[in-house]
Formats: sequence, C-alpha cells, structure tokens
Amino acid sequence: AQSVTQPDIHITVSEGASLELRCNYSYGATPYLFWYVQSPGQGLQLLLKYFSGDTLVQGIKGFEAEFKRSQSSFNLRKPSVHWSDAAEYFCAVVPNDYKLSFGAGTTVTVRA
Amino acid sequence: NAGVTQTPKFRVLKTGQSMTLLCAQDMNHEYMYWYRQDPGMGLRLIHYSVGEGTTAKGEVPDGYNVSRLKKQNFLLGLESAAPSQTSVYFCASSLEGVEQFFGPGTRLTVL
Repeated sequence: AQSVTQPDIHITVSEGASLELRCNYSYGATPYLFWYVQSPGQGLQLLLKYFSGDTLVQGIKGFEAEFKRSQSSFNLRKPSVHWSDAAEYFCAVVPNDYKLSFGAGTTVTVRA
Repeated sequence: NAGVTQTPKFRVLKTGQSMTLLCAQDMNHEYMYWYRQDPGMGLRLIHYSVGEGTTAKGEVPDGYNVSRLKKQNFLLGLESAAPSQTSVYFCASSLEGVEQFFGPGTRLTVL
C-alpha cells in the first residue's frame, strides 16, 4: 500500500541541540514532498517543499530537508532548536493525483 | 487577502444533529479539500473538489457530504452527527492540486 511513514511519534530535544525528523514514503514515482508544522491549537504552516532539482531544500524558520531517492526519504533537519520549535511536524506527499497524503506526525518537545 | 477561512471555529453537537461547515478562499484556487485530524493519525482526506460544481470522495467520506456551488466556497455537511465524528476539521485549497493552503480549523465535538 502507498503510504507516508514518520517513524518517530515523539522526540525530545534540548534547546540549542540539532533536530532531525524522519520521513519515508512508498510510492512508485517521486512525489511532491512537503513538511508542515502545527503549533498547539493552530492550523498547518508549510515549512518547505520539494518538487524537483536540488535535493537539499531550505525552508522557513531555519529548517532544511534532504530528498534521497534511493532511500525514499525526505528528512527534516534544524541545526539549533529554539523553544518555539516545540510543535507537531507532518510530512506529506502528493503522488500524482493532487491528493495530499500525510504521515501520522512527530511531536517535538524542547527542554530548556 | 484572507487566504482560507473556516466557519465556525468551534461547535458542539448532540448525536443525530446536523450541521454544515463552511470553507471560503479568496485566492481563486480550483482545488479544495476537507480533512479531519485525529490524534496519532495525521490528516485524512474526507472529500475534495477539482473545480466549481465537482466533488469527489477521499479516504474517509462516510457520514459526510459536500457541495461546491461557488468556486470560492466548499461546504462540508454532517447529516446525522455521531460521536466518531468528533475531530478537528481542516479545509485547504490549491491552485494546481499540488501545494495546499490550510484554514485554521474547526473543532467539533459530538456528544
């Protein structure tokens, strides 16, 4: 079955430490790839997206993601986490039929 | 430019009651979507529309109906609400069916 997998349900990281969130997808062709962030009680904000070209993409709030075709992965990274980065993060893909498929999400807790 | 707006923000229903959620976008987008968000399940597509007058089923359409009479509006209806429909509902729109822009959500509780 086609799917989007975020293996980590919850990650705790210290403020100032680096963060990496994993995302794997299982679709035949390379889909369009997205990362969204959702703060508590809020809607979804687009962090970054990959359509084609350079496999390392830069987003807002200091986030970046790397697309690896061989691993069917699109992992999100941030070199130094701020307390305001505590939120839930969703990986999403649009395979080829304009419908967005979401992973289950990763909750990030930032400790002082 | 308000983007995507949703009405209402909160609602409490009793089992069996009906209601309609309104989504409006002012970006002249062709595609519109309704999702529900439940803990640990991400967002799941309920129904979507690829243009005015069109609708299609998504992943979890049962118990919901939709209409897209005007390009800028996408309505989600619950004819007979059930506790299993307690969720947060998000609307989204897209120009070309790829990048989607989300509304702020509607929190619905069915007692």
